[in-house]
Amino acid sequence: AQKVTQAQTEISVVEKEDVTLDCVYETRDTTYYLFWYKQPPSGELVFLIRRNSFDEQNEISGRYSWNFQKSTSSFNFTITASQVVDSAVYFCALTKSYNTDKLIFGTGTRLQVFP
Amino acid sequence: EADIYQTPRYLVIGTGKKITLECSQTMGHDKMYWYQQDPGMELHLIHYSYGVNSTEKGDLSSESTVSRIRTEHFPLTLESARPSHTSQYLCASRLGLNEQFFGPGTRLTVL
Repeated sequence: AQKVTQAQTEISVVEKEDVTLDCVYETRDTTYYLFWYKQPPSGELVFLIRRNSFDEQNEISGRYSWNFQKSTSSFNFTITASQVVDSAVYFCALTKSYNTDKLIFGTGTRLQVFP
Repeated sequence: EADIYQTPRYLVIGTGKKITLECSQTMGHDKMYWYQQDPGMELHLIHYSYGVNSTEKGDLSSESTVSRIRTEHFPLTLESARPSHTSQYLCASRLGLNEQFFGPGTRLTVL
């Protein structure tokens, strides 16, 4: 069975701190895709990144970076120098293949960044 | 930025009422989805559509129904709302093999 675990329910940091959100997944498939979405207080989910199982290169986008490690089935997300606008719920998700319509979401991590 | 719209954003209604949650996208996406998000934040797929006249049930059983008469429109209907239907409903769309884009959601409260 496929499963995504986000063990951190809520994280609070002070502005400018670095913070890492953990994501551990379970799948028996050799081909799969991982995603991160951000849900700000306004409610919509904002797509952040997509990663396929054959690409273990880490990715950096501005203050955001992602560390994908198949050996530990983890796809962690780090925000460097956090800002108040980063406050949101962050979801990690897994899909069996790129053509499937079923995104399996983790339970989300609520990040609060205080000034 | 995705162009996907949901109305109403908030709805409070009494038990037994029939309601329709609207979802529209102007991106020409073929695939559309409805997710239910419970208070614990977890999201569950309840319906999806591959295109016009195509609808499928998702992983979470739902008493709601959907229709897809036009590409851009994917409404969700509850014939008789109950307090157990209180939740946030998120609509999403996708073009081919690209990622899903989400609407702002409808927060439904049934009294």
